[in-house]
Amino acid sequence: AQKVTQAQTEISVVEKEDVTLDCVYETRDTTYYLFWYKQPPSGELVFLIRRNSFDEQNEISGRYSWNFQKSTSSFNFTITASQVVDSAVYFCALPRTGANSKLTFGKGITLSVRP
Amino acid sequence: DTEVTQTPKHLVMGMTNKKSLKCEQHMGHRAMYWYKQKAKKPPELMFVYSYEKLSINESVPSRFSPECPNSSLLNLHLHALQPEDSALYLCASSLNGRSGNTIYFGEGSWLTVV
Repeated sequence: AQKVTQAQTEISVVEKEDVTLDCVYETRDTTYYLFWYKQPPSGELVFLIRRNSFDEQNEISGRYSWNFQKSTSSFNFTITASQVVDSAVYFCALPRTGANSKLTFGKGITLSVRP
Repeated sequence: DTEVTQTPKHLVMGMTNKKSLKCEQHMGHRAMYWYKQKAKKPPELMFVYSYEKLSINESVPSRFSPECPNSSLLNLHLHALQPEDSALYLCASSLNGRSGNTIYFGEGSWLTVV
């Protein structure tokens, strides 16, 4: 069985602060993928990143960075110098291996960035 | 901007109505999905179409009826819904449905059943 745990439920920061969103996963697969999505109040789920299990390099995209650690089954997401537009719910997700993929989502983290 | 387009954005329907949600993508994807999301919960998979054939039905009640007229279009027909069916309905697509594919979501249709 697969499981994604996002232990933080709500985080509130002041603009320009750095914030890290945690994601811990469980899978028996040796090869797998991990995703992060952002959901603003409008409702759309916006794809942020896909990471495969055999690439453990950290990734940076502008103010966003991701720290993938296979040894601890974690895939954490850091926003540097947060902005009000970063306010959203963030989901970490793990797809089922094989055809007809089904995403297992974490419960989501609600991030509020105050001006 | 999303390349998965959903209409309508908002829908209010009575319990005896028949309505449909529509979804379109032009990315050449061959897998399309319907997810349901209740407030403060993660999305839950309802249906998967792969190459225009229904491949997964997550034990969804028959008052929800999916249809995939072609590889670009996905509909969700609604009939005799209950107030607890009020939710955000998200359409999504991916290249061919395999686990390494990125799944792209639309903006969603907010459904209220009265």
